[in-house]
Amino acid sequence: EDKVVQSPLSLVVHEGDTVTLNCSYEVTNFRSLLWYKQEKKAPTFLFMLTSSGIEKKSGRLSSILDKKELFSILNITATQTGDSAVYLCAVNTGNQFYFGTGTSLTVIP
Amino acid sequence: ETGVTQTPRHLVMGMTNKKSLKCEQHLGHNAMYWYKQSAKKPLELMFVYNFKEQTENNSVPSRFSPECPNSSHLFLHLHTLQPEDSALYLCASSRTLSGSANTGELFFGEGSRLTVL
Repeated sequence: EDKVVQSPLSLVVHEGDTVTLNCSYEVTNFRSLLWYKQEKKAPTFLFMLTSSGIEKKSGRLSSILDKKELFSILNITATQTGDSAVYLCAVNTGNQFYFGTGTSLTVIP
Repeated sequence: ETGVTQTPRHLVMGMTNKKSLKCEQHLGHNAMYWYKQSAKKPLELMFVYNFKEQTENNSVPSRFSPECPNSSHLFLHLHTLQPEDSALYLCASSRTLSGSANTGELFFGEGSRLTVL
C-alpha cells in the first residue's frame, strides 16, 4: 500500500529558530515529491522534487530529496510567525497524489 | 487566487438534505480532483477526473456523487450525509494526470467547509 509519513506531527518554535520537517514515503511508482504550505485556506505550492541530492531553495525555505532512502526534508531558517502553518508532503505516483498527515508548525514571537 | 474556485465556502446541512459543491478552474488543466480533509488525517483522495472521464473512485460511499460536465467544472453532489462526513472538501486540478515527472503540481481551491448536523 502506497503511503507517505510526515514527522513530527506538530512543532512549536521561537522566532529565529531553524526547523527541519521530514517526509518519508513508500510507493510503487515514484514520479515526484511535492511540498505545500496550508494556512487557513488552500494549500499553496512550495517545491517539487524529482531528483536526489539537488536542493531546491526559495528564500528561507529549502528542500532536498533522497530517492535511495525514500525521504525528503524541508528546512526553514530564521523562522517568522508568518511561517506558522501546516506543511504537507505529497508524492505523485503518476495516477494520483498521496499526502501525509502534515506537520503543524507554530512559530511564537 | 489560485485559479481554482470553490463554492460555497461554508455549508451546513441536515442528514436528509441534498446539496452540491462546485469547483471551477481557469487554468486550462485536464485533470480535476476531489479531496476530503479531516482533522489529524491525511488528505483523502475521493475522485479523479481526467479529460472529463472518471479515473479514480477511492471506495467513496454512494452518498457522494461526482459530476464533471467539462474539463473546467467539477461538482460533488451530496445526499443523506452522516455527521462523520463533516470536513473540508478540497478541489484541485493539474495540467495532466499521469506520465512524466513534468506533470507538475496540484493547484487547490480554498475548500468548502461542510458541517452535517
